[in-house]
Order: sequence, then structure tokens, then C-alpha cells
Amino acid sequence: DIQMTQSPSSLSASVGDRVTITCRASQSISSYLNWYQQKPGKAPKLLIYAASSLQSGVPSRFSGSGSGTDFTLTISSLQPEDFATYYCQQSYSTPGTFGPGTKVDIK
Amino acid sequence: EVQLVESGGGLVQPGGSLRLSCAASGFTFSSYEMNWVRQAPGKGLEWVSYISSSGSTIYYADSVKGRFTISRDNAKNSLYLQMNSLRAEDTAVYYCARESTGYSYGSPLNYFDYWGQGTLVTVSS
Repeated sequence: DIQMTQSPSSLSASVGDRVTITCRASQSISSYLNWYQQKPGKAPKLLIYAASSLQSGVPSRFSGSGSGTDFTLTISSLQPEDFATYYCQQSYSTPGTFGPGTKVDIK
Repeated sequence: EVQLVESGGGLVQPGGSLRLSCAASGFTFSSYEMNWVRQAPGKGLEWVSYISSSGSTIYYADSVKGRFTISRDNAKNSLYLQMNSLRAEDTAVYYCARESTGYSYGSPLNYFDYWGQGTLVTVSS
């Protein structure tokens, strides 16, 4: 199975900050990488698919980049509603493993 | 509006069984692949099972293989997960998720674009 890691595991930031989360795959997955946001008690929500494609309805302050084994999710200007946990997921092979998550909370 | 509504969760003893359902609406259910994903309390997301649009192709996570069975009824717009021989480590919120396909440089890539609200399964004596 492909293993996914994320860093950091948590971070504290302020509204307006630029936030970057990194995801790394244990082998090359080309651009088969998705990002999800999850708020407490809620289902995950798709933000980015194919490493850099913004899902319809997702604010443009979210962006994704990378290919191969290293990927990045960037929030250009953190908003109050962005405090949540973020997960990457590879869809290169079954099982579609998720990263352990990065919790973004208020500084 | 796309909606996925899970049901069937609850408290069950170790070794017991439970059947989860996911009712789909707002899209052509028979055209989409579907998945079950679970989340243990305070933990991350774990993919559980996949079923193709016709039901002809099925995959399971190693952790549930031989114990769980995924199925679907396209006439009823419903997805199911039959869970047998349940263990304490199966305790989790179970989500059904629709799988869609996008394209990058002509290559298809899949992602989970809609999720249900989840149903809690607790395995405990």
C-alpha cells in the first residue's frame, strides 16, 4: 500500500495568514492527489483534486501543487471558517490511502 | 441537490453484525462508483470499500476483508455495507462517498466529491 504522510500534524495561525501544508507519498503517484477539509462533527469536503484542480464552489484562496511524491496545499489568506483538519488522499492505487491529517487552529 | 444519507449504525456486541445503508438522491446513482470510508473516534480517515457503478467490481481494505460485504441496488438508489464478526476496532463513524472522475493531461483521476453525514457504529460489550 502507498503510505501518505503530512506535515505539520498541527499548526496555529491567525486570520489573514498564509498557510502551507505538505503531503508526501511513499512512492510516485503522479498527480493522483486530493485534498479534503473536515470540521468537527462534519463529513469531509473535497477542496482540491488531481493535485491542483479546485473543486467547484471552493474559494480561490485554496490552491494545490506538486506531483510525484511531494504535494502542497496553500491557503493564501486564512479565514475564520478555514479552521479545520485537512487530509490528503492518493487515488493512484487501491486502497486510496489518506494522510494522517493536519489540524489548523486559531493562534 | 446531491444527497447521501447513511443509516443503520448503533451499538453492537463484539462478534455481532450490522448492516449500513446509504440512500442517494439528486444524481444518477447507477452511473457512479461508490465507497465506504470510516473514522474512528479522534482518528483520521480510513477507506473501507469500493463498488463500481454496476456492482461488478469490488475492493476491500485488508482490515475488513472477509468480514464486510459491500453491495448496491441501483433500482433503489441505495448502497449497503454488511458488517459481520465486528470487533472493537471497527468502532467508527462510517461515511458513504460518491466517487467522480476528473482529468489531468488526459488521464482520469478519481476523487470523493460528495459524502454523507455519517453513521456511528460502536462495537462494545
